[in-house]
Amino acid sequence: EPEVTQTPSHQVTQMGQEVILRCVPISNHLYFYWYRQILGQKVEFLVSFYNNEISEKSEIFDDQFSVERPDGSNFTLKIRSTKLEDSAMYFCASRTGMSDTQYFGPGTRLTVL
Amino acid sequence: KNEVEQSPQNLTAQEGEFITINCSYSVGISALHWLQQHPGGGIVSLFMLSSGKKKHGRLIATINIQEKHSSLHITASHPRDSAVYICAVSRDTGNQFYFGTGTSLTVIP
Repeated sequence: EPEVTQTPSHQVTQMGQEVILRCVPISNHLYFYWYRQILGQKVEFLVSFYNNEISEKSEIFDDQFSVERPDGSNFTLKIRSTKLEDSAMYFCASRTGMSDTQYFGPGTRLTVL
Repeated sequence: KNEVEQSPQNLTAQEGEFITINCSYSVGISALHWLQQHPGGGIVSLFMLSSGKKKHGRLIATINIQEKHSSLHITASHPRDSAVYICAVSRDTGNQFYFGTGTSLTVIP
Protein backbone atom coordinates (compact mmCIF):
# COMPACT_ATOMS: atom_id res chain seq x y z
CA GLU A 1 0.00 0.00 0.00
CA PRO A 2 1.39 3.43 -0.91
CA GLU A 3 2.53 5.54 2.01
CA VAL A 4 3.97 8.94 2.77
CA THR A 5 7.66 8.79 3.67
CA GLN A 6 9.78 11.32 5.52
CA THR A 7 13.50 11.75 5.96
CA PRO A 8 15.36 11.97 8.19
CA SER A 9 13.55 10.31 11.05
CA HIS A 10 15.55 12.35 13.54
CA GLN A 11 17.55 15.54 12.98
CA VAL A 12 19.70 17.24 15.56
CA THR A 13 20.93 20.74 14.79
CA GLN A 14 22.46 23.75 16.45
CA MET A 15 20.42 26.89 17.00
CA GLY A 16 20.72 29.23 14.04
CA GLN A 17 21.40 26.48 11.53
CA GLU A 18 19.24 25.77 8.50
CA VAL A 19 17.41 22.47 8.24
CA ILE A 20 15.50 20.86 5.41
CA LEU A 21 12.93 18.21 6.19
CA ARG A 22 11.96 15.98 3.30
CA CYS A 23 8.74 14.24 2.44
CA VAL A 24 7.67 12.03 -0.43
CA PRO A 25 3.86 12.16 -0.65
CA ILE A 26 1.77 9.42 -2.21
CA SER A 27 2.26 9.67 -5.94
CA ASN A 28 -1.24 10.57 -7.17
CA HIS A 29 -1.96 13.00 -4.35
CA LEU A 30 -2.45 16.66 -5.09
CA TYR A 31 -2.62 18.40 -1.71
CA PHE A 32 0.28 18.51 0.70
CA TYR A 33 0.57 19.63 4.31
CA TRP A 34 3.11 20.18 7.04
CA TYR A 35 2.14 19.93 10.69
CA ARG A 36 4.20 20.02 13.85
CA GLN A 37 3.76 18.59 17.32
CA ILE A 38 5.77 19.97 20.19
CA LEU A 39 6.37 17.30 22.82
CA GLY A 40 3.30 16.87 24.99
CA GLN A 41 1.19 19.24 22.94
CA LYS A 42 -1.39 18.88 20.21
CA VAL A 43 -0.62 18.71 16.52
CA GLU A 44 -0.60 22.14 14.85
CA PHE A 45 -1.03 23.10 11.23
CA LEU A 46 1.86 24.87 9.51
CA VAL A 47 1.11 25.08 5.80
CA SER A 48 -0.84 23.57 2.93
CA PHE A 49 0.36 23.39 -0.67
CA TYR A 50 -1.51 22.82 -3.89
CA ASN A 51 -0.72 23.38 -7.54
CA ASN A 52 2.83 24.45 -6.72
CA GLU A 53 1.87 27.19 -4.35
CA ILE A 54 0.97 27.73 -0.73
CA SER A 55 -2.80 27.63 -0.29
CA GLU A 56 -2.90 28.38 3.44
CA LYS A 57 -0.45 28.96 6.25
CA SER A 58 -0.68 29.45 9.99
CA GLU A 59 0.78 32.15 12.21
CA ILE A 60 3.57 29.74 13.10
CA PHE A 61 4.71 29.65 9.47
CA ASP A 62 6.68 32.88 9.48
CA ASP A 63 9.49 34.08 7.22
CA GLN A 64 11.85 31.49 8.70
CA PHE A 65 9.86 28.73 7.05
CA SER A 66 9.51 27.85 3.39
CA VAL A 67 8.17 24.92 1.41
CA GLU A 68 9.03 23.62 -1.99
CA ARG A 69 8.13 20.81 -4.33
CA PRO A 70 11.33 20.81 -6.33
CA ASP A 71 10.94 17.80 -8.57
CA GLY A 72 7.35 16.61 -8.64
CA SER A 73 7.88 13.96 -6.00
CA ASN A 74 9.61 15.52 -2.98
CA PHE A 75 7.94 18.08 -0.73
CA THR A 76 10.33 19.92 1.55
CA LEU A 77 10.07 22.14 4.60
CA LYS A 78 12.99 24.47 5.21
CA ILE A 79 13.67 26.30 8.44
CA ARG A 80 16.26 28.98 7.73
CA SER A 81 17.58 29.76 11.20
CA THR A 82 16.38 27.29 13.77
CA LYS A 83 15.37 28.31 17.27
CA LEU A 84 15.15 26.17 20.39
CA GLU A 85 11.35 26.37 20.19
CA ASP A 86 11.39 24.75 16.75
CA SER A 87 12.17 21.45 18.45
CA ALA A 88 9.19 19.26 17.62
CA MET A 89 7.97 16.34 15.56
CA TYR A 90 7.18 17.49 12.03
CA PHE A 91 4.59 15.57 10.05
CA CYS A 92 3.99 15.69 6.34
CA ALA A 93 0.58 14.68 4.99
CA SER A 94 -1.01 14.38 1.58
CA ARG A 95 -4.39 13.67 0.06
CA THR A 96 -6.07 13.21 -3.26
CA GLY A 97 -8.50 15.74 -4.64
CA MET A 98 -11.41 13.37 -4.07
CA SER A 99 -11.45 13.03 -0.28
CA ASP A 100 -10.65 15.01 2.87
CA THR A 101 -8.72 12.05 4.33
CA GLN A 102 -5.09 12.96 4.81
CA TYR A 103 -2.32 10.37 4.90
CA PHE A 104 0.44 11.14 7.33
CA GLY A 105 4.11 10.35 7.15
CA PRO A 106 5.94 8.85 10.15
CA GLY A 107 7.35 12.24 11.15
CA THR A 108 10.77 13.81 11.58
CA ARG A 109 11.85 14.57 15.12
CA LEU A 110 13.78 17.84 15.08
CA THR A 111 15.95 18.66 18.07
CA VAL A 112 17.50 22.14 18.22
CA LEU A 113 20.37 22.51 20.69
CA LYS B 1 -8.91 29.17 21.65
CA ASN B 2 -9.57 25.46 21.12
CA GLU B 3 -11.80 24.67 18.21
CA VAL B 4 -11.77 21.00 19.20
CA GLU B 5 -12.10 19.61 22.71
CA GLN B 6 -11.67 15.97 23.67
CA SER B 7 -12.45 14.02 26.79
CA PRO B 8 -11.13 12.29 28.69
CA GLN B 9 -7.46 13.27 28.36
CA ASN B 10 -6.34 9.94 29.76
CA LEU B 11 -8.16 6.64 29.95
CA THR B 12 -7.16 3.31 31.43
CA ALA B 13 -9.30 0.27 30.74
CA GLN B 14 -9.23 -3.44 31.37
CA GLU B 15 -9.00 -5.67 28.36
CA GLY B 16 -12.46 -6.40 27.01
CA GLU B 17 -14.06 -3.18 28.22
CA PHE B 18 -16.17 -0.95 26.01
CA ILE B 19 -14.47 2.42 25.55
CA THR B 20 -15.89 5.79 24.56
CA ILE B 21 -13.90 8.89 23.68
CA ASN B 22 -15.74 12.15 23.13
CA CYS B 23 -15.06 15.12 20.90
CA SER B 24 -16.81 18.47 20.75
CA TYR B 25 -16.13 21.23 18.29
CA SER B 26 -17.14 24.84 18.12
CA VAL B 27 -16.81 25.71 14.44
CA GLY B 28 -18.57 24.79 11.22
CA ILE B 29 -16.92 21.80 9.64
CA SER B 30 -16.83 19.93 6.38
CA ALA B 31 -15.71 16.71 8.06
CA LEU B 32 -14.52 15.27 11.35
CA HIS B 33 -11.62 12.85 11.52
CA TRP B 34 -10.55 10.32 14.11
CA LEU B 35 -6.83 9.56 14.08
CA GLN B 36 -4.65 7.15 16.00
CA GLN B 37 -1.14 8.05 17.12
CA HIS B 38 1.11 5.24 18.25
CA PRO B 39 3.92 5.63 20.80
CA GLY B 40 6.47 5.98 18.01
CA GLY B 41 4.60 9.06 16.84
CA GLY B 42 3.08 7.91 13.55
CA ILE B 43 -0.47 9.09 12.81
CA VAL B 44 -3.03 6.90 11.08
CA SER B 45 -6.44 8.00 9.88
CA LEU B 46 -9.24 5.86 11.32
CA PHE B 47 -12.42 7.56 10.18
CA MET B 48 -13.68 10.55 8.27
CA LEU B 49 -17.27 11.54 9.10
CA SER B 50 -19.60 14.21 7.86
CA SER B 51 -22.77 12.61 9.20
CA GLY B 52 -24.13 9.51 10.91
CA LYS B 53 -22.03 6.57 11.90
CA LYS B 54 -19.17 4.47 10.58
CA LYS B 55 -17.87 1.09 11.72
CA HIS B 56 -14.57 -0.61 11.06
CA GLY B 57 -13.94 -3.81 12.93
CA ARG B 58 -14.23 -3.08 16.64
CA LEU B 59 -14.20 0.67 16.13
CA ILE B 60 -17.36 2.74 15.74
CA ALA B 61 -17.49 6.48 15.15
CA THR B 62 -20.59 8.64 15.38
CA ILE B 63 -21.26 12.29 14.79
CA ASN B 64 -24.13 14.58 15.71
CA ILE B 65 -23.87 17.65 13.52
CA GLN B 66 -26.55 19.61 15.37
CA GLU B 67 -24.83 19.10 18.72
CA LYS B 68 -21.32 19.45 17.25
CA HIS B 69 -20.27 16.27 18.96
CA SER B 70 -18.63 13.01 17.95
CA SER B 71 -17.77 9.83 19.78
CA LEU B 72 -15.30 7.06 19.09
CA HIS B 73 -16.19 3.69 20.57
CA ILE B 74 -13.96 0.66 20.90
CA THR B 75 -15.69 -2.62 21.62
CA ALA B 76 -13.89 -5.53 23.31
CA SER B 77 -10.79 -3.43 23.89
CA HIS B 78 -7.37 -5.06 23.59
CA PRO B 79 -3.90 -3.98 24.76
CA ARG B 80 -2.93 -3.35 21.13
CA ASP B 81 -5.56 -0.57 21.11
CA SER B 82 -3.31 1.41 23.48
CA ALA B 83 -2.49 4.64 21.69
CA VAL B 84 -3.41 8.30 21.57
CA TYR B 85 -6.70 8.92 19.77
CA ILE B 86 -7.03 12.33 18.20
CA CYS B 87 -10.13 14.12 16.95
CA ALA B 88 -9.56 16.64 14.17
CA VAL B 89 -11.88 18.71 12.02
CA SER B 90 -11.54 20.18 8.57
CA ARG B 91 -13.47 23.39 8.13
CA ASP B 92 -13.62 23.63 4.38
CA THR B 93 -12.94 20.91 1.89
CA GLY B 94 -9.23 20.52 1.49
CA ASN B 95 -8.23 22.85 4.25
CA GLN B 96 -6.07 22.25 7.27
CA PHE B 97 -7.02 20.03 10.15
CA TYR B 98 -7.73 21.52 13.55
CA PHE B 99 -6.64 19.00 16.14
CA GLY B 100 -7.87 18.11 19.59
CA THR B 101 -5.34 17.45 22.34
CA GLY B 102 -5.82 13.71 22.09
CA THR B 103 -6.94 10.98 24.48
CA SER B 104 -4.24 8.67 25.75
CA LEU B 105 -5.71 5.18 26.04
CA THR B 106 -4.04 2.36 27.93
CA VAL B 107 -5.66 -1.07 27.87
CA ILE B 108 -4.40 -3.39 30.59
CA PRO B 109 -4.41 -7.16 30.02
